[in-house]
Amino acid sequence: EAGVVQSPRYKIIEKKQPVAFWCNPISGHNTLYWYLQNLGQGPELLIRYENEEAVDDSQLPKDRFSAERLKGVDSTLKIQPAELGDSAVYLCASSLEGGSSYEQYFGPGTRLTVT
Amino acid sequence: KNQVEQSPQSLIILEGKNCTLQCNYTVSPFSNLRWYKQDTGRGPVSLTIMTFSENTKSNGRYTATLDADTKQSSLHITASQLSDSASYICVVRFEKNYGGSQGNLIFGKGTKLSVKP
Repeated sequence: EAGVVQSPRYKIIEKKQPVAFWCNPISGHNTLYWYLQNLGQGPELLIRYENEEAVDDSQLPKDRFSAERLKGVDSTLKIQPAELGDSAVYLCASSLEGGSSYEQYFGPGTRLTVT
Repeated sequence: KNQVEQSPQSLIILEGKNCTLQCNYTVSPFSNLRWYKQDTGRGPVSLTIMTFSENTKSNGRYTATLDADTKQSSLHITASQLSDSASYICVVRFEKNYGGSQGNLIFGKGTKLSVKP
């Protein structure tokens, strides 16, 4: 079974440029999460989708960040314009809510460097 | 405030030795507690998950304990190997639909373990 797929794995951009990340969750998982992880810190939730609906986006900086999950499958996270402080790892995770454990499975992440 | 605190922040041990990582939480209402292992440059991978009624769970050389009364958990690693070098993250889930700005999982900052030959 394929795990959570993310691309690109690494991205270097100059500040003020736009950037987009893509995530394909595990097949059949109805819930998808985007997290931001700074070095030496635990992941911080940016947005959570249940199917195609964003049910928790309270931590998403909406002035520059946007996300979509069309058809309730894969998802994209966009930053426009990027700032130096956005340099971090962006993790995507998915789960099958309603199961016995609500286990989240993480992708490898996209490491963003803003110069 | 829902919080998960981990200690130590970092730890260096020699290959073959045992170690114990600590996690204290103030999450309520509690649903379950997980330990994740995160290798450098990879996403976190689940090691164990424990509910309120479970006080110990093993996964190979990893043994997690949970004391729901004192709201403490530990992860014990036996006979450490070089491949155990990673960050270990404690994550507590509160009851679904309880609300809060962080969804329903509270992550600790992790303990960075280095196993030296």
